[in-house]
Amino acid sequence: QQQVKQSPQSLIVQKGGISIINCAYENTAFDYFPWYQQFPGKGPALLIAIRPDVSEKKEGRFTISFNKSAKQFSLHIMDSQPGDSATYFCAASIGGFKTIFGAGTRLFVKA
Amino acid sequence: GAVVSQHPSWVICKSGTSVKIECRSLDFQATTMFWYRQFPKQSLMLMATSNEGSKATYEQGVEKDKFLINHASLTLSTLTVTSAHPEDSSFYICSAILSRLQETQYFGPGTRLLVL
Repeated sequence: QQQVKQSPQSLIVQKGGISIINCAYENTAFDYFPWYQQFPGKGPALLIAIRPDVSEKKEGRFTISFNKSAKQFSLHIMDSQPGDSATYFCAASIGGFKTIFGAGTRLFVKA
Repeated sequence: GAVVSQHPSWVICKSGTSVKIECRSLDFQATTMFWYRQFPKQSLMLMATSNEGSKATYEQGVEKDKFLINHASLTLSTLTVTSAHPEDSSFYICSAILSRLQETQYFGPGTRLLVL
């Protein structure tokens, strides 16, 4: 019940394309859903986050879509760039605590 | 703002020795800090939650006598890996939140530990 399932495991996108990463959760007590970007050898950096009372949130090229009834949320990266090549993690927490991370998606954007 | 640092960035030690990793919030006071462990090409696993001035709360399966956490001030938490063994080799990452009213975690750059 504590798991956050993330897919795909890896993703290759052409420059300018849309990258889509999906996550699903089971615990309805989760109330905060962040996405993190991690480069090799570095700590994760917050990209964007959403709460379950909102169905969509957009910040620049990054958009989270949230489906509360399906317990799913996704990250869309518009106009993907080679610099976006990194590992992306979705996560879920209760008020920022007990954060559970997805398995990660390794994104490669081809120039 | 909201910068978290870790020291050292990497450390190599002999089996049986203890290693201390520091996590500092540089421009804010962190009432709560978290410690994570990450194996190569894997996800982050929460090890413990550290609150200033109180004992850390460890996740199930994490040995508290093995991984000693001290949160002595609002800007510093330390993780000591005691009697380290090769299987403790990993990437250790800390994070901090501004207050219990905010969910955003600010992560440190991580510390890579290699136990020989």
